[in-house]
Amino acid sequence: DGGITQSPKYLFRKEGQNVTLSCEQNLNHDAMYWYRQDPGQGLRLIYYSQIVNDFQKGDIAEGYSVSREKKESFPLTVTSAQKNPTAFYLCASSTPSGSIKQYFGPGTRLTVT
Amino acid sequence: SQQGEEDPQALSIQEGENATMNCSYKTSINNLQWYRQNSGRGLVHLILIRSNEREKHSGRLRVTLDTSKKSSSLLITASRAADTASYFCATARAETSGSRLTFGEGTQLTVNP
Repeated sequence: DGGITQSPKYLFRKEGQNVTLSCEQNLNHDAMYWYRQDPGQGLRLIYYSQIVNDFQKGDIAEGYSVSREKKESFPLTVTSAQKNPTAFYLCASSTPSGSIKQYFGPGTRLTVT
Repeated sequence: SQQGEEDPQALSIQEGENATMNCSYKTSINNLQWYRQNSGRGLVHLILIRSNEREKHSGRLRVTLDTSKKSSSLLITASRAADTASYFCATARAETSGSRLTFGEGTQLTVNP
């Protein structure tokens, strides 16, 4: 978990509200990622960014939005358009080339009721 | 389609035994990586094997890669209760640019003391 922080660890929201998950890294990595993990399943890529002010949709971008205004920060907004937002959200970072080993934050568990 | 698929989905062994997990994938890759996730935590990178490598070791971990069969295996020798976790393979596809990884659904390993 070192070098990447996600806050908060647990987040509760009412249906219909937008919510923003924080991800900050001090590893000087160019690339950052957001994944969603549902119980007993693997990771699915939501959005990723290889450089500041640029980002691309992953496999399940609908209902989510991101920004990348600073190298260190890559916040994820879960909008009210996301039909099933309750999940475990993981942020990661990596250098953009070479081995592309990813470093993960501790995750945020979002519960929407 | 699922790029990385682990087998078995769950594995329960006694401390001291070896644990073998398998991963299959569908497309050409640049490298394949294995990650570990303790319950409710972020993922931790374990080992990376490049497409031109056949075997790699790191401590008690041994990874093999067979690109002709599009498969990899992770062997943990002399397992310990602390090895209890989920293990994921992740592939960096050869045809995509940038730094995306595609994760499998994981193998849940339980090591009984």
